[in-house]
Amino acid sequence: DAKTTQPPSMDCAEGRAANLPCNHSTISGNEYVYWYRQIHSQGPQYIIHGLKNNETNEMASLIITEDRKSSTLILPHATLRDTAVYYCIVSNNAGNMLTFGGGTRLMVKP
Amino acid sequence: KAGVTQTPRYLIKTRGQQVTLSCSPISGHRSVSWYQQTPGQGLQFLFEYFSETQRNKGNFPGRFSGRQFSNSRSEMNVSTLELGDSALYLCASSLAAINYGYTFGSGTRLTVV
Repeated sequence: DAKTTQPPSMDCAEGRAANLPCNHSTISGNEYVYWYRQIHSQGPQYIIHGLKNNETNEMASLIITEDRKSSTLILPHATLRDTAVYYCIVSNNAGNMLTFGGGTRLMVKP
Repeated sequence: KAGVTQTPRYLIKTRGQQVTLSCSPISGHRSVSWYQQTPGQGLQFLFEYFSETQRNKGNFPGRFSGRQFSNSRSEMNVSTLELGDSALYLCASSLAAINYGYTFGSGTRLTVV
């Protein structure tokens, strides 16, 4: 499975957009990019996923570069409740085995 | 609708004992996965079941085992507990993993003394 690289931590001002980058240069053609987040002491929460097209849902937007070697998760208007560890994951072909890396600890500040 | 339910929430066991953890997935979800989370190793995949069949297994010793019942409920078992097995064990379920992602439970925190 492809590995991902994320910055260990980021800060964002409340109300501003949070842009979380992820590098997955060894991704193969049929592997999906998933984003999850984990708020302290809770189980991870699914955010969004994509294959090659940009995706948007009620929580976030996912921008995948044309060569698929990197992606960016965008939280359009970050709130204090968005403070969490964000994981970028390239899953196996079936999507049923998630390999979590270290993630990015996002701190949203007032 | 009810989320993924894991029982018990907390557990304290002694080295050498065995333990069984339970997971009830969201109704209709047939894929159930288990993960171990520790401060040192982070989140690690244990195994995944679909329709009572184990489809994937992570890199854990044979002391870690699991099963899934016909109603999709799942259990995992750890035998001959070691201090290093102290962790948060998370269960996750999915309608169809590839397109829906997984919903995680709150986990069972196991402490081995």
